[in-house]
Amino acid sequence: GAGVSQSPRYKVAKRGQDVALRCDPISGHVSLFWYQQALGQGPEFLTYFQNEAQLDKSGLPSDRFFAERPEGSVSTLKIQRTQQEDSAVYLCASSGIRGGFNQPQHFGDGTRLSIL
Amino acid sequence: KQEVTQIPAALSVPEGENLVLNCSFTDSAIYNLQWFRQDPGKGLTSLLLIQSSQREQTSGRLNASLDKSSGRSTLYIAASQPGDSATYLCAVTSRGTSYGKLTFGQGTILTVHP
Repeated sequence: GAGVSQSPRYKVAKRGQDVALRCDPISGHVSLFWYQQALGQGPEFLTYFQNEAQLDKSGLPSDRFFAERPEGSVSTLKIQRTQQEDSAVYLCASSGIRGGFNQPQHFGDGTRLSIL
Repeated sequence: KQEVTQIPAALSVPEGENLVLNCSFTDSAIYNLQWFRQDPGKGLTSLLLIQSSQREQTSGRLNASLDKSSGRSTLYIAASQPGDSATYLCAVTSRGTSYGKLTFGQGTILTVHP
């Protein structure tokens, strides 16, 4: 497709379970970002990939959060031993044929994660 | 640490009104500022991107201005329509990172009623 695709759109998990969220960026985009959006708040940065390299993971809340992009295209955000405070919308964005900071980011529709 | 604040948190106006949304940021060392629109259950759609060297950008009925030295931006919407109802978010890309990560405000929820 032409846009950023995220799956699943909705995920319900019990506290303590592991979850995996998928992002398919726009083809050819070098940069990939993950953001977390709590209810009623703006998105907050989690991590950044340039191709397959994870260059910034300063926003990951804890070591239960792990992200990868092994072939420089599809990315997966994994959360281990989920807790209720992990409930949020997780947004993926991609940009840039060549990367760089002055190119607009294109967002997917997000995965809404609910932890019971 | 960059902080972005949006005022008001919510705004309700009748159709046809011109309106202004406000955004402020604490660190003026930015590469750019963007305005996004978010519809319920959807991702973000980029409306306007203003580079730090620019003062404003226009797209249709939307005009965004940037005063970097004072840490402020405004989004002006002319002749509002019910279809403009959404959450509007501003975000900055701060200097000190080459990755373009965005710092967002909490958004303004806009309702335009017929």
